[in-house]
Amino acid sequence: DQQVKQNSPSLSVQEGRISILNCDYTNSMFDYFLWYKKYPAEGPTFLISISSIKDKNEDGRFTVFLNKSAKHLSLHIVPSQPGDSAVYFCAGEEGTYKYIFGTGTRLKVLA
Amino acid sequence: NAGVTQTPKFQVLKTGQSMTLQCAQDMNHNSMYWYRQDPGMGLRLIYYSASEGTTDKGEVPNGYNVSRLNKREFSLRLESAAPSQTSVYFCASSEALAEKQFFGPGTRLTVL
Repeated sequence: DQQVKQNSPSLSVQEGRISILNCDYTNSMFDYFLWYKKYPAEGPTFLISISSIKDKNEDGRFTVFLNKSAKHLSLHIVPSQPGDSAVYFCAGEEGTYKYIFGTGTRLKVLA
Repeated sequence: NAGVTQTPKFQVLKTGQSMTLQCAQDMNHNSMYWYRQDPGMGLRLIYYSASEGTTDKGEVPNGYNVSRLNKREFSLRLESAAPSQTSVYFCASSEALAEKQFFGPGTRLTVL
């Protein structure tokens, strides 16, 4: 039973355009949601998070939107840059330690 | 500041062999974690250590043991490796439980 789903394994976007990465979840107990970015042969790095009591959080070019009624969150990257090409994982935090990760979406930003 | 370091980067084992994956962090974090990542799956938590001297099971602990050697180091041991343990293993640390986690570069393990 996958509690966090990223249904798009890959996404290609032109440089300068918006990238929208989606994530669905089933667990209503998640307190926080996080996005991590992963380059090949490196560990994931934290990108942005959002509390379950908010519906939007913004950090520079990155904005995360949370729709609790739909159990859906999305990461917007505007404008997209070639250096954003990576695998993006969303995760829900359940309790005080447990991250449940999605399977990831590979973003390719075309120059 | 090296952050979270892991050794080795790559390892090939035969079924039944044992080995220890090493992890160290220099950020004075209290909590440390071991994850595995398999194709088509997200990262799954194997074990975690909330603070020095404590360890607890995560989602997929079977076949593994851990040791929180001191505040800096958290090792993962495979006593008798199985092909199902072929994976990429990531260590992570955070200031405390529920805080943002910082990941190491990973160890790619193949069990033949």
